[in-house]
Amino acid sequence: SSELTQDPAVSVALGQTVRITCQGDSLRSYYASWYQQKPGQAPVLVIYGKNNRPSGIPDRFSGSSSGNTASLTITGAQAEDEADYYCNSRDSSGDQLVFGGGTKLTVL
Amino acid sequence: QVQLQESGPGLVKPSQTLSLTCTVSGGSISSGSYYWSWIRQPAGKGLEWIGRIYTSGSTNYNPSLKSRVTISVDTSKNQFSLKLSSVTAADTAVYYCAREWEDYMDVWGKGTTVTVSS
Repeated sequence: SSELTQDPAVSVALGQTVRITCQGDSLRSYYASWYQQKPGQAPVLVIYGKNNRPSGIPDRFSGSSSGNTASLTITGAQAEDEADYYCNSRDSSGDQLVFGGGTKLTVL
Repeated sequence: QVQLQESGPGLVKPSQTLSLTCTVSGGSISSGSYYWSWIRQPAGKGLEWIGRIYTSGSTNYNPSLKSRVTISVDTSKNQFSLKLSSVTAADTAVYYCAREWEDYMDVWGKGTTVTVSS
């Protein structure tokens, strides 16, 4: 089992806002990063650090954190945002990295 | 920009050692304060972090795989490698290499599928 917990599936209506969460004790000390993965493709970094987007990632993607929960918010979800999303951070020991189990986002 | 490419056998027999190489192009593996990581994903399942290496040679491994994993770096070839011993069918997965900085992976290879079967 993962030390980072994500909801397996979330859905959002086209154009609406959705929040994907990641819970874990280590998130009280470390930032989470977020990755988008579409079928048959490698993951793509979408959010890192406090709330940073790599070049080329639309500004509708944002990140936040409170206590033991990190969140990825998509404001105005588009059809192309339908994908699996994974959070990633250090484990509770701080020595290794760990991924959340992933959230499948469906855009209705 | 930096690109990563995994290579290695697509089929490995049970109990043998899986060996993969990641070639870094578009930049030196020794430049910057980067870790170089391996991640895997069984079909239909989530991502699993395997481990990472710094260019100094220091490593960190997933505790669940630590007894079977070795990650090494060859700066002269701009490559880093993964060896996973005593493989079973549970090690069948897509294996990715990635560049990591401050705990996030900003550059990924396309992945390579490894099947463990006799």
